[in-house]
Amino acid sequence: GAVVSQHPSWVICKSGTSVKIECRSLDFQATTMFWYRQFPKQSLMLMATSNEGSKATYEQGVEKDKFLINHASLTLSTLTVTSAHPEDSSFYICSARVSGLRDTQYFGPGTRLTVL
Amino acid sequence: KQEVTQIPAALSVPEGENLVLNCSFTDSAIYNLQWFRQDPGKGLTSLLLIQSSQREQTSGRLNASLDKSSGRSTLYIAASQPGDSATYLCAVLKAAGNKLTFGGGTRVLVKP
Repeated sequence: GAVVSQHPSWVICKSGTSVKIECRSLDFQATTMFWYRQFPKQSLMLMATSNEGSKATYEQGVEKDKFLINHASLTLSTLTVTSAHPEDSSFYICSARVSGLRDTQYFGPGTRLTVL
Repeated sequence: KQEVTQIPAALSVPEGENLVLNCSFTDSAIYNLQWFRQDPGKGLTSLLLIQSSQREQTSGRLNASLDKSSGRSTLYIAASQPGDSATYLCAVLKAAGNKLTFGGGTRVLVKP
């Protein structure tokens, strides 16, 4: 149980296009999901916290108009990278927190984004 | 602001040796500390979670200790195997709030 999926697992796009990444909790409800970014050989940096039915909370330095987050249901959150540029190329990982269990986050397998 | 540091950044050992990975954090007001494993290009696998009231957790060949007052945790992997080669990340959850703060990770290579 407690599986989180991400789609796509990798994507290559041209500069200026927008890319949507999905994060799904497959067998549990997640009122809160988190989006992280990881550059090569670096650690995970929290980008934003996504709460079902409300606006996401972004970390300092993360452009909310650049990285659009929608958490429309208890099992799905999406991250849209708008007008992507090569510097947006990174590994994006989501996690989902089990409703009512504060200290339990399950991580997705990640999405590799390459912007040409 | 919580800062998490992992030393060493990289470690190479021959198969069979014990591994010792260190994690330190600046703010002792934590809810728990977690150790993760990450294989190249993959997501995170949770290894051990230690609540702030606990001193250690064990799972098979893995043992993690926590000294909250000094802001330190150590992950021990006994009798290392080539399959243990990966990056190991520690992360702390603040006592207030729900954000995980990650360390920079330790890249481990176990040579056969």
